[in-house]
Amino acid sequence: KAGVTQTPRYLIKTRGQQVTLSCSPISGHRSVSWYQQTPGQGLQFLFEYFSETQRNKGNFPGRFSGRQFSNSRSEMNVSTLELGDSALYLCASSWDAPSGANVLTFGAGSRLTVL
Amino acid sequence: AQSVTQPDIHITVSEGASLELRCNYSYGATPYLFWYVQSPGQGLQLLLKYFSGDTLVQGIKGFEAEFKRSQSSFNLRKPSVHWSDAAEYFCAVAPTGNQFYFGTGTSLTVIP
Repeated sequence: KAGVTQTPRYLIKTRGQQVTLSCSPISGHRSVSWYQQTPGQGLQFLFEYFSETQRNKGNFPGRFSGRQFSNSRSEMNVSTLELGDSALYLCASSWDAPSGANVLTFGAGSRLTVL
Repeated sequence: AQSVTQPDIHITVSEGASLELRCNYSYGATPYLFWYVQSPGQGLQLLLKYFSGDTLVQGIKGFEAEFKRSQSSFNLRKPSVHWSDAAEYFCAVAPTGNQFYFGTGTSLTVIP
């Protein structure tokens, strides 16, 4: 079955602009999580959506937001871009086992460069 | 607070040699434990996971990891490294649900 699909794969923006990234999870997966990966901070959790509701949120400013649609596809938005937002943004989906023992399957990421 | 430590930032091994990547975590209970691998420009691929039971878990590509509760460790091993194993390796813990905490990664270089 198809994996996690992220679009676009690469994008360049300038400071002050906003950006929207898209993620299509594996079919049947209802949980979608977003992570930011930078050389300095490593992998940091942004937020998780389940059944169109944000279930968990990391320690990021309000400029970072997301949403999930009824088909489980998710988008994240970053407004008023700063140079420090340059990163690889990774989306991951999971089935959401009742036991909580979940495995994240990651997409290839969206590489954002802010100039 | 939960944390994951990968003390080795970079490791170089010769092809055919054995490999051990270290991972220590800080958490009150036994969390769910994972190892992921990332090739340049790609996302993360799951190598193996530990949820419960046998503390020695087998993964893909010939990797294994051992959970040691007393040491709060989950070290990754491979008996014979291949050139294609060169990548970045991340240890992760998930205390509950889907919020994973990742280590800073270990970059593996394989010398022919």
